[in-house]
Amino acid sequence: AQSVAQPEDQVNVAEGNPLTVKCTYSVSGNPYLFWYVQYPNRGLQFLLKYITGDNLVKGSYGFEAEFNKSQTSFHLKKPSALVSDSALYFCAVRDGVTGGGNKLTFGTGTQLKVEL
Amino acid sequence: AAGVIQSPRHLIKEKRETATLKCYPIPRHDTVYWYQQGPGQDPQFLISFYEKMQSDKGSIPDRFSAQQFSDYHSELNMSSLELGDSALYFCASSTWTGGGYGYTFGSGTRLTVV
Repeated sequence: AQSVAQPEDQVNVAEGNPLTVKCTYSVSGNPYLFWYVQYPNRGLQFLLKYITGDNLVKGSYGFEAEFNKSQTSFHLKKPSALVSDSALYFCAVRDGVTGGGNKLTFGTGTQLKVEL
Repeated sequence: AAGVIQSPRHLIKEKRETATLKCYPIPRHDTVYWYQQGPGQDPQFLISFYEKMQSDKGSIPDRFSAQQFSDYHSELNMSSLELGDSALYFCASSTWTGGGYGYTFGSGTRLTVV
């Protein structure tokens, strides 16, 4: 079974400061990892994904994430936060094992609040 | 670029009524997924279809059914609606891109059961 944990319900950061939203995962095989952002009453917008290759993945809107296999983590980061980054962020995982199905399993979400 | 289209955007139904949600995937995407997101909750996987066949099943109530048609659009049918069915229902589609699966989500259908 695959699962994702986002240990923080909310992260507060001042505009201009770096931000980190944490995510750890559990899968049977190699993980496919994703970050999505959701604004109020809106759909899920894709930010970035890790399938294979470089551990540092760069995505939309200046976000990046670092895959750490030994720590089974895929934390989302941004060097300088903007007030407009305030939203709900979901980490998701897909088990890379063939035949294991390819649905995404989501974490419980982390509300990011960026203040002036 | 074409996205995943869901209709309707909003739906209000009374208890015990039925509802049908529609999803039109990105052209040439071969898999469709349905998710339910309750208020303040993370999206929960309901069911998926690959090439018009059910490929996986999650926490979908027996009152719900879904299918994928020959044109690859999918419909989620919900009967005997309950207040607890009020949620945002997402459809996503995916295909193998060579660099891994790419998933695209629709904007969702917000169902309110009163």
